Amino acid sequence: LAKTTQPISMDSYEGQEVNITCSHNNIATNDYITWYQQFPSQGPRFIIQGYKTKVTNEVASLFIPADRKSSTLSLPRVSLSDTAVYYCLVGASSSGSARQLTFGSGTQLTVLP
Amino acid sequence: DTGVSQNPRHKITKRGQNVTFRCDPISEHNRLYWYRQTLGQGPEFLTYFQNEAQLEKSRLLSDRFSAERPKGSFSTLEIQRTEQGDSAMYLCASSKSTDTQYFGPGTRLTVL
Repeated sequence: LAKTTQPISMDSYEGQEVNITCSHNNIATNDYITWYQQFPSQGPRFIIQGYKTKVTNEVASLFIPADRKSSTLSLPRVSLSDTAVYYCLVGASSSGSARQLTFGSGTQLTVLP
Repeated sequence: DTGVSQNPRHKITKRGQNVTFRCDPISEHNRLYWYRQTLGQGPEFLTYFQNEAQLEKSRLLSDRFSAERPKGSFSTLEIQRTEQGDSAMYLCASSKSTDTQYFGPGTRLTVL
């Protein structure tokens, strides 16, 4: 399973755009990149998943360069409620076999007023 | 659909006691996963079911741990002879074959 590297923590202010970058140099050809958000005493919540280029949903955008060795989660106009730990994961997203998720330590994002 | 539910949300027990946790996955999700999370760390995979079959077990799952999913719906995780090192948040997730895993709120275990 590909190992990921993320900053341990980041601070931002309300209303700013936040970009969290994740390195995954050993990503395999069939690996997808998935981001989860976790609040204290809650289970992780799926944010976004992508394979290449750019993916956008109602919550975030995910930018993946051509070499796929890194990815950037972009949160537009963060609010205090976005304060959480954000996890970047890589792994295959195809049916047919178990895909245990391998979490790193995540990035603690703190949004300040 | 109310999402993945777990019960109890909190459990305090004395060392040496047995505990059992329950997970109810999202309906029609054939895959169910158990993870353990300690303070400051990301969740660690424990075991996985596809329908009622337990297909993968982590080396973290010692002989004191057992998980079942008898009818392919809810699952139970039992820890026998609990130790203080078992104190953690136990998370359950479920998915369809497309592999996006949806997590429950977790059961926080404290072993005194």
